[in-house]
Amino acid sequence: DSGVTQTPKHLITATGQRVTLRCSPRSGDLSVYWYQQSLDQGLQFLIQYYNGEERAKGNILERFSAQQFPDLHSELNLSSLELGDSALYFCASSPLSSEVGELFFGEGSRLTVL
Amino acid sequence: GESVGLHLPTLSVQEGDNSIINCAYSNSASDYFIWYKQESGKGPQFIIDIRSNMDKRQGQRVTVLLNKTVKHLSLQIAATQPGDSAVYFCAENKRGSARQLTFGSGTQLTVLP
Repeated sequence: DSGVTQTPKHLITATGQRVTLRCSPRSGDLSVYWYQQSLDQGLQFLIQYYNGEERAKGNILERFSAQQFPDLHSELNLSSLELGDSALYFCASSPLSSEVGELFFGEGSRLTVL
Repeated sequence: GESVGLHLPTLSVQEGDNSIINCAYSNSASDYFIWYKQESGKGPQFIIDIRSNMDKRQGQRVTVLLNKTVKHLSLQIAATQPGDSAVYFCAENKRGSARQLTFGSGTQLTVLP
């Protein structure tokens, strides 16, 4: 158990809909990262938050947005969903003093868009 | 360009043998390379990393080798066990972008009894 909690574990929805994925980082971790894992693109970095503020953006679509709240949990919002958005979405967190590269991943939220 | 690729998509080894998983990278600006293990239904789990100024780093039953001349990274697992069966990803951490990792496509390691 990495200590990172993601909900829901599974989500099935239709094209055009909007969903919200939730992440609770490990206790004490200020950084939250979102990654998308799909069969054709592999694991891709989407966005990073540090202590409530956006720190970096990766390959995140404009239809997607995220935020980190004062209690450090984070939400990833996916809107106008398309079939190609079906994927595993992982949240990861890191402690202040960890070695560079060491992320603690949750078990993911599997999104299926029909 | 920026890419991290793996040589083989699958690898099967006998239990007790050593495993070697290879990875090629193209971005010379990376300062860290990391290996992750992903078991079925779970998120990636950190195994070991190596700084770009090092050639070798050892952990518990694992060794990572970095050859900057040919831009090659390998993960060696000693005395492979059934619990080692998983997908292994190499990832690069670009200088100045802490933990915003670029992952390779993964190698499925299967440990045979």
